[in-house]
Amino acid sequence: NAGVTQTPKFQVLKTGQSMTLQCAQDMNHEYMSWYRQDPGMGLRLIHYSVGAGITDQGEVPNGYNVSRSTTEDFPLRLLSAAPSQTSVYFCASSPGGLPQHFGDGTRLSIL
Amino acid sequence: DQQVKQNSPSLSVQEGRISILNCDYTNSMFDYFLWYKKYPAEGPTFLISISSIKDKNEDGRFTVFLNKSAKHLSLHIVPSQPGDSAVYFCAPATQFGQGTRLTINP
Repeated sequence: NAGVTQTPKFQVLKTGQSMTLQCAQDMNHEYMSWYRQDPGMGLRLIHYSVGAGITDQGEVPNGYNVSRSTTEDFPLRLLSAAPSQTSVYFCASSPGGLPQHFGDGTRLSIL
Repeated sequence: DQQVKQNSPSLSVQEGRISILNCDYTNSMFDYFLWYKKYPAEGPTFLISISSIKDKNEDGRFTVFLNKSAKHLSLHIVPSQPGDSAVYFCAPATQFGQGTRLTINP
């Protein structure tokens, strides 16, 4: 009963490096999304997908790419990491359009 | 431009009493509202939701009230238990408030 699995849990990057945050769900949910949470703030939507092959931008998409080749996986790519992208990243899934099941997050530091 | 505001960053309540968490929003087009609970180092957990066609929804100890004319919703927890100590987020659609840290004191 894994739910939503995010890897890695922690990561430190240097400015300019690229990396992919992984997200996988085993509930056959169509809707998946990525959020970031900064200190003292709520979660902000980065990108979302309503099904395999379909992605769209959220509130703060700049600097991030996503793809959805399967129902299960929804990776988030940082193309060229910047200190402003230091944050905690959460992936979520649901059968409908609003997030219900979240992973435990990836804590990302950009030096 | 914050469309969702939880004006109390923290709230302390005695065990067994009622906890009331508040949330205000500005966009009258929001038609579905969710509350989440979050423990440290974990992802948010969906708690309860309400549609804009209702003004109240109950689930066990948790009740959410929606006042559309005031653009205000609240989450009531009664009786409050130590395990309820967490950060609570209200989220109209995919927008999240800043959260309220609830502490239940024995």
